[in-house]
Amino acid sequence: DQQVKQNSPSLSVQEGRISILNCDYTNSMFDYFLWYKKYPAEGPTFLISISSIKDKNEDGRFTVFLNKSAKHLSLHIVPSQPGDSAVYFCAASVNSGYALNFGKGTSLLVTP
Amino acid sequence: DSGVTQTPKHLITATGQRVTLRCSPRSGDLSVYWYQQSLDQGLQFLIQYYNGEERAKGNILERFSAQQFPDLHSELNLSSLELGDSALYFCASSVGGGTTYEQYFGPGTRLTVT
Repeated sequence: DQQVKQNSPSLSVQEGRISILNCDYTNSMFDYFLWYKKYPAEGPTFLISISSIKDKNEDGRFTVFLNKSAKHLSLHIVPSQPGDSAVYFCAASVNSGYALNFGKGTSLLVTP
Repeated sequence: DSGVTQTPKHLITATGQRVTLRCSPRSGDLSVYWYQQSLDQGLQFLIQYYNGEERAKGNILERFSAQQFPDLHSELNLSSLELGDSALYFCASSVGGGTTYEQYFGPGTRLTVT
Protein backbone atom coordinates (compact mmCIF):
# COMPACT_ATOMS: atom_id res chain seq x y z
CA ASP A 1 0.00 0.00 0.00
CA GLN A 2 1.24 3.44 -0.96
CA GLN A 3 1.51 5.44 2.26
CA VAL A 4 2.93 8.50 0.52
CA LYS A 5 1.00 9.78 -2.46
CA GLN A 6 1.85 12.34 -5.09
CA ASN A 7 -1.32 12.59 -7.08
CA SER A 8 -0.01 14.84 -9.83
CA PRO A 9 2.32 12.90 -12.14
CA SER A 10 3.37 16.09 -13.90
CA LEU A 11 3.32 19.86 -13.60
CA SER A 12 4.28 22.60 -16.04
CA VAL A 13 5.16 26.10 -14.84
CA GLN A 14 6.54 29.20 -16.51
CA GLU A 15 9.97 30.45 -15.54
CA GLY A 16 9.80 33.00 -12.74
CA ARG A 17 6.45 31.76 -11.43
CA ILE A 18 5.80 29.63 -8.36
CA SER A 19 5.85 25.84 -8.57
CA ILE A 20 3.77 24.00 -5.96
CA LEU A 21 4.23 20.27 -5.62
CA ASN A 22 1.88 18.38 -3.34
CA CYS A 23 2.16 15.24 -1.28
CA ASP A 24 -0.32 13.40 0.93
CA TYR A 25 0.37 10.67 3.43
CA THR A 26 -1.79 8.16 5.24
CA ASN A 27 0.40 7.03 8.13
CA SER A 28 -0.12 9.34 11.10
CA MET A 29 3.07 7.98 12.66
CA PHE A 30 5.24 9.70 10.05
CA ASP A 31 7.23 12.44 11.74
CA TYR A 32 9.97 13.32 9.31
CA PHE A 33 9.44 14.38 5.72
CA LEU A 34 11.83 14.99 2.86
CA TRP A 35 11.85 16.11 -0.74
CA TYR A 36 14.26 14.67 -3.28
CA LYS A 37 14.92 15.86 -6.81
CA LYS A 38 15.92 13.55 -9.62
CA TYR A 39 17.39 14.32 -13.04
CA PRO A 40 17.37 11.67 -15.79
CA ALA A 41 20.15 9.09 -15.54
CA GLU A 42 21.06 10.25 -12.04
CA GLY A 43 20.09 9.17 -8.56
CA PRO A 44 17.78 11.29 -6.41
CA THR A 45 19.35 14.25 -4.60
CA PHE A 46 18.19 15.51 -1.22
CA LEU A 47 16.50 18.89 -1.42
CA ILE A 48 14.86 19.84 1.85
CA SER A 49 13.33 18.23 4.92
CA ILE A 50 10.93 19.06 7.72
CA SER A 51 10.26 17.55 11.12
CA SER A 52 6.69 17.15 12.35
CA ILE A 53 7.35 19.66 15.14
CA LYS A 54 7.49 22.40 12.48
CA ASP A 55 5.00 23.52 9.89
CA LYS A 56 7.42 25.30 7.59
CA ASN A 57 11.04 25.03 6.54
CA GLU A 58 12.77 27.29 4.09
CA ASP A 59 16.01 26.98 2.14
CA GLY A 60 16.61 29.64 -0.45
CA ARG A 61 14.01 29.32 -3.20
CA PHE A 62 12.58 26.15 -1.67
CA THR A 63 9.99 26.06 1.11
CA VAL A 64 8.24 23.01 2.48
CA PHE A 65 4.93 23.35 4.32
CA LEU A 66 3.50 20.65 6.55
CA ASN A 67 -0.17 20.40 7.53
CA LYS A 68 -0.34 17.52 9.99
CA SER A 69 -4.09 17.63 10.48
CA ALA A 70 -4.60 17.22 6.74
CA LYS A 71 -1.65 14.82 6.41
CA HIS A 72 -0.41 17.01 3.60
CA LEU A 73 2.83 18.63 2.66
CA SER A 74 3.82 20.83 -0.20
CA LEU A 75 7.01 22.09 -1.78
CA HIS A 76 7.08 25.65 -3.09
CA ILE A 77 9.74 26.77 -5.51
CA VAL A 78 9.95 30.53 -6.00
CA PRO A 79 10.95 31.70 -8.53
CA SER A 80 11.01 28.62 -10.72
CA GLN A 81 13.96 28.22 -13.07
CA PRO A 82 14.43 25.96 -16.11
CA GLY A 83 17.12 24.06 -14.17
CA ASP A 84 14.44 23.03 -11.69
CA SER A 85 12.91 20.76 -14.33
CA ALA A 86 13.21 17.30 -12.78
CA VAL A 87 11.19 14.64 -11.01
CA TYR A 88 10.45 15.51 -7.39
CA PHE A 89 9.88 12.77 -4.83
CA CYS A 90 8.26 13.23 -1.47
CA ALA A 91 9.39 10.84 1.29
CA ALA A 92 8.48 10.21 4.91
CA SER A 93 9.70 8.16 7.85
CA VAL A 94 8.54 7.07 11.29
CA ASN A 95 10.48 8.27 14.36
CA SER A 96 13.16 9.57 11.99
CA GLY A 97 13.86 5.87 11.60
CA TYR A 98 15.68 3.90 9.03
CA ALA A 99 13.28 3.41 6.15
CA LEU A 100 12.11 6.15 3.81
CA ASN A 101 8.68 5.76 2.22
CA PHE A 102 8.64 7.47 -1.15
CA GLY A 103 5.85 8.73 -3.34
CA LYS A 104 5.81 7.99 -7.08
CA GLY A 105 7.13 11.42 -7.99
CA THR A 106 5.94 14.51 -9.83
CA SER A 107 7.67 15.55 -13.03
CA LEU A 108 8.14 19.33 -13.07
CA LEU A 109 8.76 21.17 -16.31
CA VAL A 110 9.74 24.83 -16.09
CA THR A 111 9.39 26.54 -19.44
CA PRO A 112 11.23 29.73 -20.44
CA ASP B 1 28.53 13.27 -8.42
CA SER B 2 27.20 11.95 -5.11
CA GLY B 3 30.30 9.88 -4.37
CA VAL B 4 28.26 6.66 -4.39
CA THR B 5 29.18 4.26 -7.16
CA GLN B 6 27.10 1.43 -8.52
CA THR B 7 28.08 -1.28 -10.96
CA PRO B 8 27.06 -2.33 -13.46
CA LYS B 9 25.07 0.54 -14.99
CA HIS B 10 22.97 -1.80 -17.10
CA LEU B 11 22.25 -5.48 -16.84
CA ILE B 12 20.22 -7.65 -19.18
CA THR B 13 19.52 -11.20 -18.17
CA ALA B 14 16.98 -13.97 -18.62
CA THR B 15 14.24 -15.20 -16.32
CA GLY B 16 15.43 -17.68 -13.73
CA GLN B 17 18.93 -16.27 -13.61
CA ARG B 18 20.81 -14.72 -10.69
CA VAL B 19 22.61 -11.37 -10.67
CA THR B 20 24.68 -9.33 -8.23
CA LEU B 21 24.56 -5.57 -8.02
CA ARG B 22 27.40 -3.76 -6.32
CA CYS B 23 27.51 -0.50 -4.41
CA SER B 24 30.40 1.49 -2.96
CA PRO B 25 29.26 4.11 -0.45
CA ARG B 26 30.75 7.58 -0.02
CA SER B 27 33.94 7.65 1.93
CA GLY B 28 33.12 7.70 5.63
CA ASP B 29 29.50 6.60 5.27
CA LEU B 30 28.59 3.59 7.37
CA SER B 31 25.02 3.05 6.18
CA VAL B 32 23.98 1.58 2.86
CA TYR B 33 20.39 1.42 1.61
CA TRP B 34 18.94 -0.40 -1.39
CA TYR B 35 15.86 0.82 -3.25
CA GLN B 36 13.92 -0.50 -6.23
CA GLN B 37 12.15 1.76 -8.70
CA SER B 38 9.88 -0.02 -11.13
CA LEU B 39 7.76 1.63 -13.84
CA ASP B 40 4.53 1.85 -11.90
CA GLN B 41 5.96 2.39 -8.43
CA GLY B 42 7.93 5.02 -6.65
CA LEU B 43 11.16 4.20 -4.90
CA GLN B 44 10.59 1.15 -2.74
CA PHE B 45 12.90 0.66 0.20
CA LEU B 46 14.39 -2.83 0.21
CA ILE B 47 17.00 -3.09 2.94
CA GLN B 48 19.52 -1.14 4.99
CA TYR B 49 22.89 -2.11 6.43
CA TYR B 50 24.84 -0.18 9.01
CA ASN B 51 28.50 -0.96 9.55
CA GLY B 52 28.10 -4.51 8.32
CA GLU B 53 24.87 -5.36 10.09
CA GLU B 54 21.35 -5.46 8.74
CA ARG B 55 19.47 -2.54 10.30
CA ALA B 56 16.09 -2.39 8.56
CA LYS B 57 14.12 -4.40 6.06
CA GLY B 58 11.43 -3.17 3.71
CA ASN B 59 9.54 -4.88 0.91
CA ILE B 60 12.38 -7.18 -0.04
CA LEU B 61 11.46 -10.49 -1.64
CA GLU B 62 12.85 -13.74 -0.25
CA ARG B 63 14.59 -14.26 -3.62
CA PHE B 64 16.63 -11.13 -2.90
CA SER B 65 19.43 -10.83 -0.38
CA ALA B 66 22.09 -8.33 0.48
CA GLN B 67 25.20 -7.94 2.54
CA GLN B 68 27.66 -5.28 3.55
CA PHE B 69 31.32 -6.21 3.64
CA PRO B 70 34.06 -5.08 6.06
CA ASP B 71 35.21 -2.45 3.56
CA LEU B 72 31.57 -1.17 3.69
CA HIS B 73 30.73 -1.88 0.08
CA SER B 74 27.45 -3.71 -0.40
CA GLU B 75 26.03 -6.24 -2.79
CA LEU B 76 22.41 -6.98 -3.64
CA ASN B 77 21.80 -10.48 -4.92
CA LEU B 78 18.70 -11.16 -6.99
CA SER B 79 17.90 -14.78 -7.82
CA SER B 80 15.27 -16.75 -9.74
CA LEU B 81 14.65 -13.57 -11.66
CA GLU B 82 11.19 -12.82 -13.01
CA LEU B 83 10.06 -10.32 -15.63
CA GLY B 84 8.61 -8.17 -12.86
CA ASP B 85 12.05 -7.71 -11.33
CA SER B 86 12.98 -5.42 -14.21
CA ALA B 87 13.60 -2.08 -12.55
CA LEU B 88 16.11 0.56 -11.57
CA TYR B 89 17.97 -0.41 -8.41
CA PHE B 90 19.44 2.43 -6.41
CA CYS B 91 21.94 2.30 -3.63
CA ALA B 92 22.25 5.16 -1.16
CA SER B 93 24.62 5.82 1.69
CA SER B 94 24.65 8.01 4.76
CA VAL B 95 26.94 8.71 7.67
CA GLY B 96 24.52 7.49 10.30
CA GLY B 97 21.69 5.03 10.55
CA GLY B 98 18.55 7.17 10.80
CA THR B 99 16.67 9.03 8.10
CA THR B 100 17.67 12.40 9.53
CA TYR B 101 21.05 11.67 8.03
CA GLU B 102 21.07 12.76 4.40
CA GLN B 103 21.07 9.85 2.03
CA TYR B 104 23.29 10.17 -1.03
CA PHE B 105 22.13 8.12 -3.99
CA GLY B 106 24.16 6.42 -6.65
CA PRO B 107 23.19 6.62 -10.34
CA GLY B 108 21.43 3.26 -10.22
CA THR B 109 21.65 -0.07 -12.01
CA ARG B 110 19.03 -0.71 -14.66
CA LEU B 111 18.07 -4.38 -14.66
CA THR B 112 16.17 -5.83 -17.59
CA VAL B 113 14.88 -9.37 -17.30
CA THR B 114 13.84 -10.93 -20.61
